[in-house]
Amino acid sequence: DAKTTQPTSMDCAEGRAANLPCNHSTISGNEYVYWYRQIHSQGPQYIIHGLKNNETNEMASLIITEDRKSSTLILPHATLRDTAVYYCIVRGVYNQGGKLIFGQGTELSVKP
Amino acid sequence: GAVVSQHPSRVICKSGTSVKIECRSLDFQATTMFWYRQFPKQSLMLMATSNEGSKATYEQGVEKDKFLINHASLTLSTLTVTSAHPEDSSFYICSGVGAAPYEQYFGPGTRLTVT
Repeated sequence: DAKTTQPTSMDCAEGRAANLPCNHSTISGNEYVYWYRQIHSQGPQYIIHGLKNNETNEMASLIITEDRKSSTLILPHATLRDTAVYYCIVRGVYNQGGKLIFGQGTELSVKP
Repeated sequence: GAVVSQHPSRVICKSGTSVKIECRSLDFQATTMFWYRQFPKQSLMLMATSNEGSKATYEQGVEKDKFLINHASLTLSTLTVTSAHPEDSSFYICSGVGAAPYEQYFGPGTRLTVT
């Protein structure tokens, strides 16, 4: 599975959109982009995933560039409870059900 | 989403003793479960892959005789830390994989402190 690069930390004002970037320049055509988050001292929580098209669910939106080399997770109206470490993970379609390799992630701090 | 539980949520044990951590999928059957370890300020590190009815597959550098994994049923996997030492103190997290679309659901974690 391809490697990802994320900023170490980001701040966001409460109520504003949080845009978390992820670079995956070596992604191949059969690899998904997954996003998880981990609130302090809890297990990771699945947020969203996508292959080529942009995706949206009740938690967030995922924007994937046309060349698929990068993506952005958008939390439209960040709240204090969104403070967490956000992990961007690339995972092969043939590795569904397989292991997830976590990088360092982005520590998002939502401030009042 | 599907729910995974872990028991205990935190445990303190003395050096040299063994401790067992349970991971249960409550509302789905997990043919595969994973065990991760996380030290303070670090990311999750995959320890092993546990498949129901077969031997676990350990990641490089993880001692299989020290971290015993048993996946006896489709809803239960256990991790036993044998002869624990203070350096084994960590946050242990399990996850289970359900049927298609094969999402991975994580437990809440177990905080192990070895004194």
